[in-house]
Amino acid sequence: KNEVEQSPQNLTAQEGEFITINCSYSVGISALHWLQQHPGGGIVSLFMLSSGKKKHGRLIATINIQEKHSSLHITASHPRDSAVYICAVRRSGGGADGLTFGKGTHLIIQP
Amino acid sequence: DAGVTQSPTHLIKTRGQHVTLRCSPISGHKSVSWYQQVLGQGPQFIFQYYEKEERGRGNFPDRFSARQFPNYSSELNVNALLLGDSALYLCASSLRGSKETQYFGPGTRLLVL
Repeated sequence: KNEVEQSPQNLTAQEGEFITINCSYSVGISALHWLQQHPGGGIVSLFMLSSGKKKHGRLIATINIQEKHSSLHITASHPRDSAVYICAVRRSGGGADGLTFGKGTHLIIQP
Repeated sequence: DAGVTQSPTHLIKTRGQHVTLRCSPISGHKSVSWYQQVLGQGPQFIFQYYEKEERGRGNFPDRFSARQFPNYSSELNVNALLLGDSALYLCASSLRGSKETQYFGPGTRLLVL
């Protein structure tokens, strides 16, 4: 079982819909990242969370540390939001400083 | 300011060859991490360097090595290439490490034939 699980793997929605992408993790963490990857490979950091909720424009990210769960929401979705959204965690408790990634959620917003 | 840069953008090698990939972090960033992303999968952690010292290594064989230079740029070296090494290699920089926002380069796409 992967340490970071995302759902759904694929999501197709109509423009304007409210989108939710979920991330569950099975290890203790000190930070959780939401990333966006467009075709061609470029990755952009959307949020970094260690608790609570963050909002940037139409994007909202929440995290529940006790339940080991995070969600990424997109309000008023637009075709330009079409991309792969990746959840990644930094483990707590020392050790290697690298991120552990989920497999990503492939989002398509149709006009 | 320039973002994270990587070179080359694309590379084709044959099995058994050696490859060197390069990464220049954002000015002022002292941490560089390397990731391998196989098609259809999430990235996998390879190495992290901070202040020229290795801070972490993922589950990759000894054929993979890296270093960070005094100007904080970094090289990833892969020896004895295998077909399975074909992937997108991503570099990310930050001020101090993965508890901070990561800035990713465009990646180097490596094809091993």
